[in-house]
Amino acid sequence: AQSVTQLGSHVSVSEGALVLLRCNYSSSVPPYLFWYVQYPNQGLQLLLKYTSAATLVKGINGFEAEFKKSETSFHLTKPSAHMSDAAEYFCAVRFSGSARQLTFGSGTQLTVLP
Amino acid sequence: KAGVTQTPRYLIKTRGQQVTLSCSPISGHRSVSWYQQTPGQGLQFLFEYFSETQRNKGNFPGRFSGRQFSNSRSEMNVSTLELGDSALYLCASSLVAGDNTGELFFGEGSRLTVL
Repeated sequence: AQSVTQLGSHVSVSEGALVLLRCNYSSSVPPYLFWYVQYPNQGLQLLLKYTSAATLVKGINGFEAEFKKSETSFHLTKPSAHMSDAAEYFCAVRFSGSARQLTFGSGTQLTVLP
Repeated sequence: KAGVTQTPRYLIKTRGQQVTLSCSPISGHRSVSWYQQTPGQGLQFLFEYFSETQRNKGNFPGRFSGRQFSNSRSEMNVSTLELGDSALYLCASSLVAGDNTGELFFGEGSRLTVL
C-alpha cells in the first residue's frame, strides 16, 4: 500500500537552531510531494511542493526540502528556527494514478524553545 | 482573491442527528475535495468532486456523502451521527485545468462535535 511516514510526532528545537522534519514515502514512481503547515484552529497552508522540476525546493518562510529518489525521502529543513514556526507540519504525497487525492503523513508537531 | 470558505466553522450535534457542511472554492477552481482530521486517524480523504460528479472516494461508510453544484460549491452530509464523527472537516479546492500537480488549497475547516 502507498504510504507516507513522518518520523517523530514531536520535535523540539531552540530558537535559531536548525529545523529538520523527516518524510519518507513508499512508491517506485516519483510522485508529487508537498509540505503543509497547520496553526491551531486553522486549515492547512502550503509551504512548498516538488513537481520534478528541481530536487531542492524552496518554500515560504525560509523553509526548503530536498527530494531524494534513492531514499524516497522529502525532508523539510529551515536553517534557523523562529518562535513563529511552532505549528504542526504535514508531508503529503500525490501518488501516480490517484488523481488529486493527497495521502498525508501523521504530522510532526514542532515546538520552538526560547 | 478570496480563499476557500467553509461554513459553519463550529457546530455541536447529538448522536443520531445529521449535519451538512458547506464549502465555497477559490474562484476558478473546479475541483473540491473533503478531508476528515482527527487526533487518532490524522488526515483522511473523504471524496473529491469535479464538474458536479464524484471522482474519487475514500474508505468511509455510506453515511458520508457529498455533492457539488454547477458553481463548484460543495456540500458534505453526515447522517446518523456517531461520537467518532467528531472531527475537523477540511475542504480543499484545486485548479484542475493547467495544473498537473494536484496542489490543494485548504479552507479553515468546520469543527464538528458530536455529543
